[in-house]
Amino acid sequence: DVKVTQSSRYLVKRTGEKVFLECVQDMDHENMFWYRQDPGLGLRLIYFSYDVKMKEKGDIPEGYSVSREKKERFSLILESASTNQTSMYLCASSLWQGGHEQYFGPGTRLTVT
Amino acid sequence: GESVGLHLPTLSVQEGDNSIINCAYSNSASDYFIWYKQESGKGPQFIIDIRSNMDKRQGQRVTVLLNKTVKHLSLQIAATQPGDSAVYFCAENGSETSYDKVIFGPGTSLSVIP
Repeated sequence: DVKVTQSSRYLVKRTGEKVFLECVQDMDHENMFWYRQDPGLGLRLIYFSYDVKMKEKGDIPEGYSVSREKKERFSLILESASTNQTSMYLCASSLWQGGHEQYFGPGTRLTVT
Repeated sequence: GESVGLHLPTLSVQEGDNSIINCAYSNSASDYFIWYKQESGKGPQFIIDIRSNMDKRQGQRVTVLLNKTVKHLSLQIAATQPGDSAVYFCAENGSETSYDKVIFGPGTSLSVIP
């Protein structure tokens, strides 16, 4: 059974803290993605990666960075957390070529106070 | 601009009835479409997909219809059950041969009335 796991389901951080969100997939997928999901705004792509050490900006990369040192792991980093980054963060993976569904993790609910 | 949107943000259906969830897209170059289901507290889960060379695809209790002329996508759920209550997203992908940005619609919340 395919699986995408995220390091935390719920996280509470203070403004200015550095935050790491980890995602691991066991399907040997080339593509990995980080989205944030907010009410009324749907899923918005932050960053994606199509190979180890490769990354591409999505629609809303400001305030975020990513790291992909291994194929199965994709990390999202909030260098200095702000309250407007309070959101649900979803990680996903897919096969390399387009036209394939994405497999999502359960999400991390991040609250920045 | 390019967007994927849903006509109705919420839908209530009696248990046992059929549900129809609609989606409009504006990028005529998109050639791959997916429906996802997201239950409360979970990530989106793949339901069914369709490529642009098809106009209908059926799965178990679900059917997706694609009308490229009017850029419209719909998801039909037969004999809706309480377990079908969720938010449903349509998504479009611009290219089959390489990764292009996937565009998600805002979602429709389906509530099944017992």
